[in-house]
Amino acid sequence: DTGVSQNPRHKITKRGQNVTFRCDPISEHNRLYWYRQTLGQGPEFLTYFQNEAQLEKSRLLSDRFSAERPKGSFSTLEIQRTEQGDSAMYLCASSPLSRLAKNIQYFGAGTRLSVL
Amino acid sequence: ELKVEQNPLFLSMQEGKNYTIYCNYSTTSDRLYWYRQDPGKSLESLFVLLSNGAVKQEGRLMASLDTKARLSTLHITAAVHDLSATYFCAVDRNNDMRFGAGTRLTVKP
Repeated sequence: DTGVSQNPRHKITKRGQNVTFRCDPISEHNRLYWYRQTLGQGPEFLTYFQNEAQLEKSRLLSDRFSAERPKGSFSTLEIQRTEQGDSAMYLCASSPLSRLAKNIQYFGAGTRLSVL
Repeated sequence: ELKVEQNPLFLSMQEGKNYTIYCNYSTTSDRLYWYRQDPGKSLESLFVLLSNGAVKQEGRLMASLDTKARLSTLHITAAVHDLSATYFCAVDRNNDMRFGAGTRLTVKP
């Protein structure tokens, strides 16, 4: 499978716990994005990386959220001290850095987080 | 602030009918995208529109862009059940991607 892979697919946690999600982008895609999607809404941009550099962070990304892409390949999104309001689908997408590619983002299936 | 509005949010239509989904955005943008999402699945890219007057067609779907009006349309021709899904438009400005709330389309026999 050469698509964007996200793990785990589902995560149930108790309020106050820390969680970490992983995203493996399409091989050789330079850009990697994280989004959050709640029921009945479109994805909301959280942050994006170009190679290992985190170039943009949304105001939605509170101090409890941190993302890394240490080697410019896979990325992790960590949420510390989870709150019930963090319950959502977390989507990862990747795109190649190419003028011809039109910056089309390819999405993973997402990680559904439920905070009890 | 870049805002994207879609309408309608819910659309129920009969097979064989035509309909249009509208996407308005608030500021200039670099690119406009249409995505499809099936329940429990990820987003699938349908079209990317780059310039004023751009028109793209794939099967029963046709997307167009009017940058002066800041409006994109997704036209559905002779709908079939397989088109039932949620359709999102998204606008990209300086790599800041904003999505509309989505249009949940149901095509009934």
